[in-house]
Amino acid sequence: GQSLEQPSEVTAVEGAIVQINCTYQTSGFYGLSWYQQHDGGAPTFLSYNALDGLEETGRFSSFLSRSDSYGYLLLQELQMKDSASYFCAGDLSGSARQLTFGSGTQLTVLP
Amino acid sequence: DTEVTQTPKHLVMGMTNKKSLKCEQHMGHRAMYWYKQKAKKPPELMFVYSYEKLSINESVPSRFSPECPNSSLLNLHLHALQPEDSALYLCASSQVPAGVYEQYFGPGTRLTVT
Repeated sequence: GQSLEQPSEVTAVEGAIVQINCTYQTSGFYGLSWYQQHDGGAPTFLSYNALDGLEETGRFSSFLSRSDSYGYLLLQELQMKDSASYFCAGDLSGSARQLTFGSGTQLTVLP
Repeated sequence: DTEVTQTPKHLVMGMTNKKSLKCEQHMGHRAMYWYKQKAKKPPELMFVYSYEKLSINESVPSRFSPECPNSSLLNLHLHALQPEDSALYLCASSQVPAGVYEQYFGPGTRLTVT
């Protein structure tokens, strides 16, 4: 079936670097987005990779390899406020009209 | 203005009630979405409107009825819900075309069905 898989939990300490992986299975693929959601809050868009390679936005970077059906979100200089759920999301239908969200990764940043 | 607003924030309703959720955006986005999210789970797409027309219905039960009165507003009418429908209902919007990857979400309505 078509899906996006992520690790369920990741824990790291303040100031560290953490990588959250996302693997997907689909016959066609058109890009990967990442969203952050704090407890009780709304998902917030972080980044989008349309092409293979690395996109950098401040402390956050995102990578996509379509040949490996794999992407990741890299968070540097972790801060306590980065504790949240992170979702990768892709257009698995190829329609450019809808996103399917990955299973989500709960990041806990420890002092 | 990059804000999507949703009302009410919280809603408790009985299984025989009729209620509506409201969503509004003033970013000029012509795609709007309804998602359902259960605790510790990802958002699940329910409906997509594109240029005020229903574009996608993800086999959602008819007790959920969406409406898009104009390009800024999106409603979700609820009737005869079940306890398992209790969840966070999120509205989102994006540009068209190709804006689907960058969606702006509202804060959601937390619905409890008793």
